Amino acid sequence: AQSVSQHNHHVILSEAASLELGCNYSYGGTVNLFWYVQYPGQHLQLLLKYFSGDPLVKGIKGFEAEFIKSKFSFNLRKPSVQWSDTAEYFCAVNVNTGFQKLVFGTGTRLLVSP
Amino acid sequence: NAGVTQTPKFRILKIGQSMTLQCTQDMNHNYMYWYRQDPGMGLKLIYYSVGAGITDKGEVPNGYNVSRSTTEDFPLRLELAAPSQTSVYFCASSLGDEQFFGPGTRLTVL
Repeated sequence: AQSVSQHNHHVILSEAASLELGCNYSYGGTVNLFWYVQYPGQHLQLLLKYFSGDPLVKGIKGFEAEFIKSKFSFNLRKPSVQWSDTAEYFCAVNVNTGFQKLVFGTGTRLLVSP
Repeated sequence: NAGVTQTPKFRILKIGQSMTLQCTQDMNHNYMYWYRQDPGMGLKLIYYSVGAGITDKGEVPNGYNVSRSTTEDFPLRLELAAPSQTSVYFCASSLGDEQFFGPGTRLTVL
């Protein structure tokens, strides 16, 4: 079965620091990859997604992620975080079966201190 | 569009009680999903539906039932609530490559 690993469970950063959140998945075939964000008290929102093409994808609010097929990774990055980025971040994988059945990682809780 | 709406927002149940979590979407999406979110565990798929009249089990279906009589509605039923079902429940819908989530229902079973 497919699985998704997010190794950082809690991350604390100061404003303006750079962010990188790790995501690794286990599946050898074609995958679609997603990062979702859940701000405090809110529902999940799509941050960015990768289906094919340029492995460096840009999302909302200055986030980007790089798909490295050889490492089965899809790490999330942001050059300079803001206090408003405090949230929980989830990586998710969909095996390309024509139907979107997502497998989520356990999430990374990010706290940005002002 | 309201998107995906869920009711209630919060609920406390006693062990053995039953309840239905409501989910409605107004985007005419074919696919709908129910997840539960437990601390440190991410989201686990309970049930999903590919269209009206068609449902299937996800990763953690035990203790739950669903129905999909219309495109818009996808209620989740708990028949005999157990403490292990204390969680936050999210409904989602999709047409293609992005799932849209509802605001969630926080359920506590005591």
